[in-house]
Amino acid sequence: EAGVAQSPRYKIIEKRQSVAFWCNPISGHATLYWYQQILGQGPKLLIQFQNNGVVDDSQLPKDRFSAERLKGVDSTLKIQPAKLEDSAVYLCASSPRVGNTEAFFGQGTRLTVV
Amino acid sequence: AQKVTQAQTEISVVEKEDVTLDCVYETRDTTYYLFWYKQPPSGELVFLIRRNSFDEQNEISGRYSWNFQKSTSSFNFTITASQVVDSAVYFCALGQMTTDSWGKLQFGAGTQVVVTP
Repeated sequence: EAGVAQSPRYKIIEKRQSVAFWCNPISGHATLYWYQQILGQGPKLLIQFQNNGVVDDSQLPKDRFSAERLKGVDSTLKIQPAKLEDSAVYLCASSPRVGNTEAFFGQGTRLTVV
Repeated sequence: AQKVTQAQTEISVVEKEDVTLDCVYETRDTTYYLFWYKQPPSGELVFLIRRNSFDEQNEISGRYSWNFQKSTSSFNFTITASQVVDSAVYFCALGQMTTDSWGKLQFGAGTQVVVTP
């Protein structure tokens, strides 16, 4: 079974530029998560989708971050404009169905804002 | 408020020694899940174990074992006879099961385990 795919693996941008990350979850997984992991910290949930609807985006900085999950499959996370403090690994995860909290994670995208 | 505390930032052991990772959590929920994840240098988080809040039975799975004590809000994890491949960051996480926060995971800061030959 293929895992959660993310791209790119690494991205370096200048502050105030925009950037987008892509995630393809495990086939058939209804729930998709985006987490932000700052160096030395545990992952923090940014947004959770159930199919193509948002379940929880309470910790998403909506003035600069946006995310969508068209057709309930792939998802993109965008930052515009980026700040230095956005430097982190952005992890995508998916889980099979409602009530199942076991999440499978991708390898993440490491973003460096300079 | 949900909170997970992993007081140990790094543990170094020699191969074949046992390693115990501490985790203390805070929650007002009566139903919740607890997890341990492993993050090797490649970056992905690998699911290890999950326990629900109403099952305090401690178990062993291969070289992994865990000690869940609801009375002290602790969920400790032990690797027996450590191997170099166990070197990674280990995260304890708390999963909510409330209707408005279903599936949301609160992670601790992680413990770096270094196993040397």
